[in-house]
Amino acid sequence: AQKITQTQPGMFVQEKEAVTLDCTYDTSDPSYGLFWYKQPSSGEMIFLIYQGSYDQQNATEGRYSLNFQKARKSANLVISASQLGDSAMYFCAMRYNNNDMRFGAGTRLTVKP
Amino acid sequence: KAGVTQTPRYLIKTRGQQVTLSCSPISGHRSVSWYQQTPGQGLQFLFEYFSETQRNKGNFPGRFSGRQFSNSRSEMNVSTLELGDSALYLCASSSWWRENTEAFFGQGTRLTVV
Repeated sequence: AQKITQTQPGMFVQEKEAVTLDCTYDTSDPSYGLFWYKQPSSGEMIFLIYQGSYDQQNATEGRYSLNFQKARKSANLVISASQLGDSAMYFCAMRYNNNDMRFGAGTRLTVKP
Repeated sequence: KAGVTQTPRYLIKTRGQQVTLSCSPISGHRSVSWYQQTPGQGLQFLFEYFSETQRNKGNFPGRFSGRQFSNSRSEMNVSTLELGDSALYLCASSSWWRENTEAFFGQGTRLTVV
């Protein structure tokens, strides 16, 4: 069964430093999409970045980059130059052929001043 | 371009009542998915609609139902509310239903059942 695992319930990072949030997935489907979302305390899920299973290069969006290691089935999110506003829950998700999006349990990131 | 709009933002209902939540997707998007988020279970898929047809359904009792209108707006209904239905209900909008399609979420409806 398709599964998303985020092993870090909580992470702390100093302001202006980089942080990596881990995500591993399990699927036998060759075609899938990987997503990261940010959820502040307000509740809205904010789309951050997308990586397709056939993409050759790692996705980047501003301060966000996705470290995609297909053989290891990992899709870690890297946030560079952390800001106080980055404090939130972060969810890794996978969408595969003809199916709904599956989410990991999330990682709560706290940025310290 | 307007984002995904969910109404209402907050609801308080009594056990046994029913509730209807609304989701207006991004203009041009034809796929709408619904998710329930609770502290204990995390994000769980409820159902997905594309062009007024339910494409997928999660593992929820029949008290949970939904529909999609010709303008892609979607509603979900929960009948005979139980305390355990208290959750944040999130709606996601996509232009298509395939795995390479981004999904954009609304702000959610926070339902409290008392």
